[in-house]
Amino acid sequence: QKEVEQNSGPLSVPEGAIASLNCTYSDRVSQSFFWYRQYSGKSPELIMSIYSNGDKEDGRFTAQLNKASQYVSLLIRDPQPSDSATYLCAVIFGNEKLTFGTGTRLTIIP
Amino acid sequence: KAGVTQTPRYLIKTRGQQVTLSCSPISGHRSVSWYQQTPGQGLQFLFEYFSETQRNKGNFPGRFSGRQFSNSRSEMNVSTLELGDSALYLCASSLLPGLANRETQYFGPGTRLLVL
Repeated sequence: QKEVEQNSGPLSVPEGAIASLNCTYSDRVSQSFFWYRQYSGKSPELIMSIYSNGDKEDGRFTAQLNKASQYVSLLIRDPQPSDSATYLCAVIFGNEKLTFGTGTRLTIIP
Repeated sequence: KAGVTQTPRYLIKTRGQQVTLSCSPISGHRSVSWYQQTPGQGLQFLFEYFSETQRNKGNFPGRFSGRQFSNSRSEMNVSTLELGDSALYLCASSLLPGLANRETQYFGPGTRLLVL
């Protein structure tokens, strides 16, 4: 069974520091990776996608992909209390089904 | 442009009953996917519909079924409800199905189902 694993947290990070969220996946042939943010009581929203090894930056967010080690991470620079949410890692395992991790709950401490 | 809408937003049923949930995609979107979200299992893919045809299916029992209408609206049905079916059911729409359209997939607010 294809799997996506995340540390459930909670992860507490001081405001202004760097929040680092990690995700590992089980299938070497996976090509597409996504990070979603889900506020409590709300639906998930896509914040980043990454398809190639290396870093991809979008504003305060950086996604990092290492296919050899089968992990993908999300860095949030200068996090604010409004970034407090659950962050979901998702992977497409070849058959176009989007498989999600259980999410990491992030709390930004003022 | 209106977002994805789901009805009802909340539902309480008892074991053994059946339930039908509805999803109206964003105008112009033709692909609809359904997901189940529970605290223990997280978000799990149920199925995807495009042009009234099921394109993909997750690992759920046959009690879970769905359909899509010619106007792209979709319904999912769960028969013989079990306590473990209590979850948030999310619908997501995109212009087209498949890998290339995952970045344009938008989730609805969900239907929270409680089975007693």
